[in-house]
Amino acid sequence: DAGITQSPRHKVTETGTPVTLRCHQTENHRYMYWYRQDPGHGLRLIHYSYGVKDTDKGEVSDGYSVSRSKTEDFLLTLESATSSQTSVYFCAISESEDRGREAFFGQGTRLTVV
Amino acid sequence: AQSVTQLGSHVSVSEGALVLLRCNYSSSVPPYLFWYVQYPNQGLQLLLKYTSAATLVKGINGFEAEFKKSETSFHLTKPSAHMSDAAEYFCAVSEGFGNEKLTFGTGTRLTIIP
Repeated sequence: DAGITQSPRHKVTETGTPVTLRCHQTENHRYMYWYRQDPGHGLRLIHYSYGVKDTDKGEVSDGYSVSRSKTEDFLLTLESATSSQTSVYFCAISESEDRGREAFFGQGTRLTVV
Repeated sequence: AQSVTQLGSHVSVSEGALVLLRCNYSSSVPPYLFWYVQYPNQGLQLLLKYTSAATLVKGINGFEAEFKKSETSFHLTKPSAHMSDAAEYFCAVSEGFGNEKLTFGTGTRLTIIP
């Protein structure tokens, strides 16, 4: 299994509070991604990173920010959590620019905003 | 933008019967296509991928998929379903060059009837 650790695995938070999810990899892969999974929507890309300090927005980036100060860590921050951000969040990594390279996924973080 | 359509959010088959999960894609460039499987409370695991080599792709656990450009399809099949195949299956297409952003379908939940 690819060395990807997401923390926390479960979190309940209140509306309006900031939340940070962490993704840590031990594979030294260049690319890292944050997806959210919701019923009926599959997985949707929030943000991704193509190197240290190099990040870009995905399909559903509003209300989220990311940071990558080290190759191994990719942080996702919800600036002010809302109930619509209740979801399962997955981090993924991939090795190279080759589009045929598959992405490896973490175990997910289940976030509930009450 | 690339997109993926999975026909049937739920599919039920009897143990030992043929499994057929449908995926159609839209892409402005030659696509790379993937099937991922997700078991309950786990991350996504790659089943197989098409990267412009052979159009019939074999994956893990006895699954295979055939790329048909004329039909813009990449359907997943398995000749004989096993109880352990019960899971959610996602079709995905990679888009752009220089990264591995994946666009996912909405998923198909496969139930196996004993």
